[in-house]
Order: sequence, then structure tokens, then C-alpha cells
Amino acid sequence: AQSVTQLGSHVSVSEGALVLLRCNYSSSVPPYLFWYVQYPNQGLQLLLKYTSAATLVKGINGFEAEFKKSETSFHLTKPSAHMSDAAEYFCAVIPGGGTSYGKLTFGQGTILTVHP
Amino acid sequence: GAGVSQSPSNKVTEKGKDVELRCDPISGHTALYWYRQRLGQGLEFLIYFQGNSAPDKSGLPSDRFSAERTGESVSTLTIQRTQQEDSAVYLCASSRIPTSPSQDTQYFGPGTRLTVL
Repeated sequence: AQSVTQLGSHVSVSEGALVLLRCNYSSSVPPYLFWYVQYPNQGLQLLLKYTSAATLVKGINGFEAEFKKSETSFHLTKPSAHMSDAAEYFCAVIPGGGTSYGKLTFGQGTILTVHP
Repeated sequence: GAGVSQSPSNKVTEKGKDVELRCDPISGHTALYWYRQRLGQGLEFLIYFQGNSAPDKSGLPSDRFSAERTGESVSTLTIQRTQQEDSAVYLCASSRIPTSPSQDTQYFGPGTRLTVL
């Protein structure tokens, strides 16, 4: 079964600092990988997704993530944090290898706090 | 254009009562998903609709949970005889091409926050 592990339920950074949110997956076949963001009292919004076209994926709001098969990781980064980045971030996976539909399996989420 | 909408946004009910949660997907989206987000936890898949059929109901926690969908339109998630552990945010998502994850994107609604007293 597919699973996703997000290391660190809470991450705190200063404004302007590097943001690094960690995600590891378990799969024998490279899956489709996603990062979603959830702002308070809002639904989830897709930040970016990996679909095997390129290992470095750029998303919205200056975020990017790199797929590393050898490490089974898909960490999310942003060079310089903004106050508006404060939110909860979810890593998610859809099995690869001819899946029939887009059932997402989510990690536990990481709450990002940005300090002035 | 309009996104995925859900109603009500908040629902408080007493233990043992039945509740209905509604999801209006984006027009033209054939796939519809229900997820549950309990406090401090990630999202759990509940059920997937392709049109008005549900090929995957594997995430429904018990027979107290059921869902239906009218064509490629509205879906209703019903919880009978609610329990306190049913308290959660219930999220609905829809997408256009579920069989092609590389081309498809799930769009989420704002959720319904259910509190069972």
C-alpha cells in the first residue's frame, strides 16, 4: 500500500529564511506526488505535482520540490519565506503503474509558521 | 468560474442524529471524491464517484456512512446515528480526467465542519 510520511508536524521559520518541508513516500513503483496547501478556513489548493516529466517541479508562490527516487523523497522548498506562506501543507500520492483513478493518500500535514 | 462548493459550512448535531452533507462539483467534472480530516490528522479517503457510480467505497468507516451522486452533479454524504468520533471536516473534491493523474487536478471545496456533541 502507498504511504506518505511528513517529517515534522510543525515547522517555524523567520521571514526571508529558507522553507524546507519534508515528505517521504513508500512505493515499489514511482508514484505521482503532490503538495497541497491549506490556508485557515479554506479548502486545499494544489501547489505542485510530480508526474515523471521532470524531477524538479516548480509550483505556485515560488515553491518547488525535487523528486529523488534513491531517497524516496519529495521535499518542498522555497528560498525565502513570506508571512503569507503560513498555512498547513500536505504531501500526497497517487500510485503509479497504470492506476485507474486519482485516489489521493495524504501525509499527516505540516503546519508552517513564519515569524517576522 | 465557480469552484467546488459544499454545504453547510458548519454543522453541529447531537449524538445519534443523522446528517447530510452536500457537495456541488465543478461543472463537467466526472470524478468526485469525499475525504475526511479529523483534528490533527491528514485527510482520509472515503469514497470515489465516476459519474453516478461509486467504484471505490473502501474508505467509508462503517455502514452508518453512505453517499450518492446524481449523474455528474451533486453528491450527498449521509451519516446515520452520528457518533462523537465522526466529528471532522468533510472535504469534497472533483476532477475532470481521473484516469490520467499526470493531466488531472483535483479541486477541493472548503469543507463542512461537523461537530457531534
